[in-house]
Amino acid sequence: QVQLVESGGGVVQPGRSLRLSCAASGFTFNTYGMHWVRQAPGKGLEWVAVMWHDGTNEYYADSVKGRFTISRDNSKNTVYLQMNSLRAEDTAVYYCARGGAWLLDWYFDYWGQGTLVSVSS
Amino acid sequence: DIQMTQSPSTLSASVGDRVTITCRASQSISSWLAWYQQKPGKGPKLLIYKASTLESGVPSRFSGSGSGTEFILTISSLQPDDFGIYYCQQYNSHSATFGHGTKVEIK
Repeated sequence: QVQLVESGGGVVQPGRSLRLSCAASGFTFNTYGMHWVRQAPGKGLEWVAVMWHDGTNEYYADSVKGRFTISRDNSKNTVYLQMNSLRAEDTAVYYCARGGAWLLDWYFDYWGQGTLVSVSS
Repeated sequence: DIQMTQSPSTLSASVGDRVTITCRASQSISSWLAWYQQKPGKGPKLLIYKASTLESGVPSRFSGSGSGTEFILTISSLQPDDFGIYYCQQYNSHSATFGHGTKVEIK
């Protein structure tokens, strides 16, 4: 069965960095685009970033462009989110999610349990 | 950026009722729309993609319709397990945005 397990969340001061990881299993990882989606406490969902199955393309939400970097290691079935220059408004549960079967199918058919990032001094 | 507007923001209905949730896009997104259900403390669950395709394992009482800028999620006969927050999401032109959600309560 498909499993996505996030890790790396925690409390961090504004301006600092954090790297999230998402370990995938139960499917052929190198054939799916992988996304990060976040949800601020008590708020709705916000798409953050995507990396294509082969690592050739990545896209970001305007709110994180230039500060966050998505990457993946297909040999480890893992996708990462490097978050730099963190702000209070980045406080959220961060979900790793699998994209649909086709390259432009940016709906999310499997989600992890989420990892909480809290940016506070 | 494409904005997604959902209505209503909250609805309360009885078991067996037919329920509809509307989602409007600020510009045409063809059929690139998905619907999710989220329960407290959990990640969202995919219900519908490409506006009207039912995800495997999702009960047939859920259906989606629409194209262009207006979309509807219908629950034909509301069940006790259908409580939660429902989100629409567009995925067009290398971006993705969600609606603000519709909270469904069981009377």
